[in-house]
Order: sequence, then structure tokens, then C-alpha cells
Amino acid sequence: GAGVSQSPSNKVTEKGKDVELRCDPISGHTALYWYRQSLGQGLEFLIYFQGNSAPDKSGLPSDRFSAERTGGSVSTLTIQRTQQEDSAVYLCASSLRTGSLEKLFFGSGTQLSVL
Amino acid sequence: AQSVSQHNHHVILSEAASLELGCNYSYGGTVNLFWYVQYPGQHLQLLLKYFSEDPLVKGIKGFEAEFIKSKFSFNLRKPSVQWSDTAEYFCAVSGAGSYQLTFGKGTKLSVIP
Repeated sequence: GAGVSQSPSNKVTEKGKDVELRCDPISGHTALYWYRQSLGQGLEFLIYFQGNSAPDKSGLPSDRFSAERTGGSVSTLTIQRTQQEDSAVYLCASSLRTGSLEKLFFGSGTQLSVL
Repeated sequence: AQSVSQHNHHVILSEAASLELGCNYSYGGTVNLFWYVQYPGQHLQLLLKYFSEDPLVKGIKGFEAEFIKSKFSFNLRKPSVQWSDTAEYFCAVSGAGSYQLTFGKGTKLSVIP
């Protein structure tokens, strides 16, 4: 597609439920990032995928968070047993290759609200 | 670990006023520096970047930023703001060649017509 696509754009869930957020990067982009944007907190790095290499999961805040990237393209971020503090905008970004931070493209994000 | 500090949470200016948004970073090596902008209802997009070239960097829409190594700063400037500059601005830093991009908490700019 023309840009990074994320779905759903909005998700409202009840505390304790599991949610899946999807990211479809720009075709051919091998690097994929997930960030979390909480109110007044800027962007927090969550996880990074590069090709077939092991992902950098160092930013995941707890073991309730996991992510996978199938076939080097689409990525899914899963949050199990959601908590109210998980409410945030979850942003996905992709770039052509590692280190191409000058050409990092962001999606519009998924607004997650945990009631 | 690298970190970024943006001094102002919310800045309100009248049209034609001059703008300077502060950004300081912490990193013990060669850095790449960025300013991103997020217009209301839109996704984050790159405004300008510093990659070891001229420390005075010019970006889109008349914005510029100056890298001052001795002050660990990368302040964003614009001589005369417009209503359409209303947005949230994020400063970010990465180590040279690194994939890790660390963002500041952002500064919301409101321009009053």
C-alpha cells in the first residue's frame, strides 16, 4: 500500500480482555517498530523487527505484551488481560532497512481504551 | 541510555510570532537528531533531521534547527508561525547507525489567528 496501515483505528475493551492490534507496513520495508503514545508521555519504544533477525523486545512493559511478524510483513501486537494503564495510542512504523531512520514512516495508530 | 528532554509542554503563539522549541538530549556518542510533527488527526511525519552535516538544518515549511554539541541541544525555530503550524512537535535522538529512536514527550503548539 501507499503507507503504513494500522487496524483497528479505535478499540474499546473491558479490563481483563485480550486485544490484537495489526500493522501492515509499506511493501518492501524490512524494519518495523511498535511505539506507544500515552497522554503527555511522548512515544515509548516497544519492539523492533528487522527481517528474519530476532526482534528487540526490550521495550515491552510486561509479559502481557507480545508481538509477532509473519512472513516479514504484517505484524500483530497482542496485549493480554488488558489493564486501564494500557490505554494509549499504539503506533507502528516501518523503514526500508536497519538504520534508515531518516526514512521512517508512521501509521495513524490504534487508539486503545481500556474501561 | 539515551534520553530527550523537551522544555515546553504547551506553547501558545499569535500568527507571525517567532518560534523556538527547546530540545536537549543525553547520549554518549555520535548522534542523529530529528524533529517530527503531528498535525491534528494526522500521523507523525519527519520535519527535519541532523545527520552529521551542517549543524544548522533546514526542514520543510520554513522550519530549521541548530545542533549545538556543547549544549547537547537541537532547538527548533521558525521566524514567523502560521495557524497551520498548530500541531504537536517531537524531538528524537538515535545513536549514529542505530535503529533505536528515542522521543521526547512532545510540545503542543497552538497558533492563534
